[in-house]
Amino acid sequence: DAKTTQPNSMESNEEEPVHLPCNHSTISGTDYIHWYRQLPSQGPEYVIHGLTSNVNNRMASLAIAEDRKSSTLILHRATLRDAAVYYCILSNSGGSNYKLTFGKGTLLTVNP
Amino acid sequence: NAGVMQNPRHLVRRRGQEARLRCSPMKGHSHVYWYRQLPEEGLKFMVYLQKENIIDESGMPKERFSAEFPKEGPSILRIQQVVRGDSAAYFCASSPSTTKVSYEQYFGPGTRLTVT
Repeated sequence: DAKTTQPNSMESNEEEPVHLPCNHSTISGTDYIHWYRQLPSQGPEYVIHGLTSNVNNRMASLAIAEDRKSSTLILHRATLRDAAVYYCILSNSGGSNYKLTFGKGTLLTVNP
Repeated sequence: NAGVMQNPRHLVRRRGQEARLRCSPMKGHSHVYWYRQLPEEGLKFMVYLQKENIIDESGMPKERFSAEFPKEGPSILRIQQVVRGDSAAYFCASSPSTTKVSYEQYFGPGTRLTVT
């Protein structure tokens, strides 16, 4: 399975943009890139996913490098409610792609 | 729309007892997944079920653990003769019945099992 690498922790100030990086140098052509986040004492929450093109939704934007070996989750204006562990996950378009493999993720701290 | 519901939220069992964890998927979802999160670790896939069928149980420990998703009622994760190492947060997720290339799973709040 392709693996992802994320920084252990990042810090941001409220109302500023946050760029959360993820490296996935062994990604295959059919792997989707997913981002989930987990707030304290809660279950993971889907944030965004993409394959090749950049993606935007109401929660965040996903910027995917041209070679697909890295991606960045962008929170345009961080709020205190965005403090969470953010997970970058790869899943293949075929086979057992329902098996989400969560690593350690990036713990995002948002300062008021 | 109610989200994925799990109960109980907290469960305390003594070693050797049985633990039953329940999960009601989102309305209209017929795919259920169970994950386990040990302390200080990420979530690990355990089992994938559809109504009355176990599709993939490759992440389930071979002994003491079982899961079902009956035609009526919630999905149940059952742990027999619990040991201290079973203490963890157990999360259930569900996804829509229509097949999607990229699976978006909706997670419940989890059941935190403590074995004393």
